[in-house]
Amino acid sequence: QKEVEQNSGPLSVPEGAIASLNCTYSDRGSQSFFWYRQYSGKSPELIMFIYSNGDKEDGRFTAQLNKASQYVSLLIRDSQPSDSATYLCAVMRYGQNFVFGPGTRLSVLP
Amino acid sequence: DADVTQTPRNRITKTGKRIMLECSQTKGHDRMYWYRQDPGLGLRLIYYSFDVKDINKGEISDGYSVSRQAQAKFSLSLESAIPNQTALYFCATRQGTGELFFGEGSRLTVL
Repeated sequence: QKEVEQNSGPLSVPEGAIASLNCTYSDRGSQSFFWYRQYSGKSPELIMFIYSNGDKEDGRFTAQLNKASQYVSLLIRDSQPSDSATYLCAVMRYGQNFVFGPGTRLSVLP
Repeated sequence: DADVTQTPRNRITKTGKRIMLECSQTKGHDRMYWYRQDPGLGLRLIYYSFDVKDINKGEISDGYSVSRQAQAKFSLSLESAIPNQTALYFCATRQGTGELFFGEGSRLTVL
């Protein structure tokens, strides 16, 4: 079983819709959860991180964490074509290194 | 200028050649990392370093070596490049337990 799993996509949503990106992880000791966005041929950049169960909102982005279900998601409201990218989920246990998922490719259609 | 700079950005080489990818940072971070990215496989850790005297293998270190020449410099070497090392390589930095900051990437093609 892979440590961090994501649906590879592509996930296609129309402009203005909500995009929902999901990530599951296998290590129950994981404590920190990160979402990175990566445009084609570019480097990953951090969108959000979350440590506690529940929701964390930042502008159009909401991260949701459920440690009991070992599940973290990223919602993008009012999706724009500029949101089209690959979204990487990363998980970390304190004192250890990041473990990345394979990424989900999102396409927002005008 | 980027806070994390990688050179070269693109390199085409032949099987058996020695290749060095260099990374320098101006963020003052103590931790530096080398990742490779392949389609569908995400980012995989090659080597990491918590300071100049500390070098650690990641999950895919075979065929690679590294050198931490200074707090701000971390280089990755392929002693004898092979075609399955064709990939996009990222250097990243981190301060303590914070987020990772990535360089712009080095695309390596081994023929």
